[in-house]
Amino acid sequence: GESVGLHLPTLSVQEGDNSIINCAYSNSASDYFIWYKQESGKGPQFIIDIRSNMDKRQGQRVTVLLNKTVKHLSLQIAATQPGDSAVYFCAENMAGANNLFFGTGTRLTVIP
Amino acid sequence: SQTIHQWPATLVQPVGSPLSLECTVEGTSNPNLYWYRQAAGRGLQLLFYSVGIGQISSEVPQNLSASRPQDRQFILSSKKLLLSDSGFYLCAWSVGVPFTSPLHFGNGTRLTVT
Repeated sequence: GESVGLHLPTLSVQEGDNSIINCAYSNSASDYFIWYKQESGKGPQFIIDIRSNMDKRQGQRVTVLLNKTVKHLSLQIAATQPGDSAVYFCAENMAGANNLFFGTGTRLTVIP
Repeated sequence: SQTIHQWPATLVQPVGSPLSLECTVEGTSNPNLYWYRQAAGRGLQLLFYSVGIGQISSEVPQNLSASRPQDRQFILSSKKLLLSDSGFYLCAWSVGVPFTSPLHFGNGTRLTVT
C-alpha cells in the first residue's frame, strides 16, 4: 500500500497471478481518484480513474475499487505480466482543491 | 492523438547557473499545463499550473518560475540554480477543469545541479 517515506512499499507477484495494490487516502472530501504507472526513467502513465459517486470501475485487465467509508482505494491487475512491473501511484483531488495529491507509490515486481 | 514533448531528457548544471526547461503539447487546444517535480522515493509535487496563455499559478514558493508564451508551450525557468533544485521534472497536460480529469505526463527531465 501507500506510505509516506523514502522506501517504497513493494509487491512481488508471479506472472499470471492477480495483483492488488492498495492506497489509503487522507481526505474524506476527496472526490476524484486516479492511478498511474511509472516505469523507470519515464513519466507517469494514466491507468484508470474513478469519481466518488462510484465504487468500482473496470478497464482492460484493471479494476479500481473505492471504499469511501474507510478511505481506501485499490488497483487490481488481472493476469499480471512482466510488462506490468513498475511503480504505481494513486492520487486524489478534493473538490475545489487546485492540486492532485500523489502518494509515494508501490513498486510492483512480476516474477516470470 | 495528443502528444507531449519535454526536453532535454537529462541536464547537469552548476550551482548558480540559469535553467530553462521546455514542454510542448500537440493535438489539443487550450490545454491545462502543469509542472511537477519528483524526488527519489517520493510522490509528485506540483510546482506550477496554467489554464491559459500568460496565466500561471504557483503552488510552492521557490527558486523557480514558469511561463506560457503560447497555448501549447510551457517553460520552467530559474535564474540561479540551487543544489536542492536537483530532481526529475515532469510536464503534463489535461483538459477541462484542472485536476478533475487525467493529467498526461511527458517523459521528464532529470536535472542534476552540481
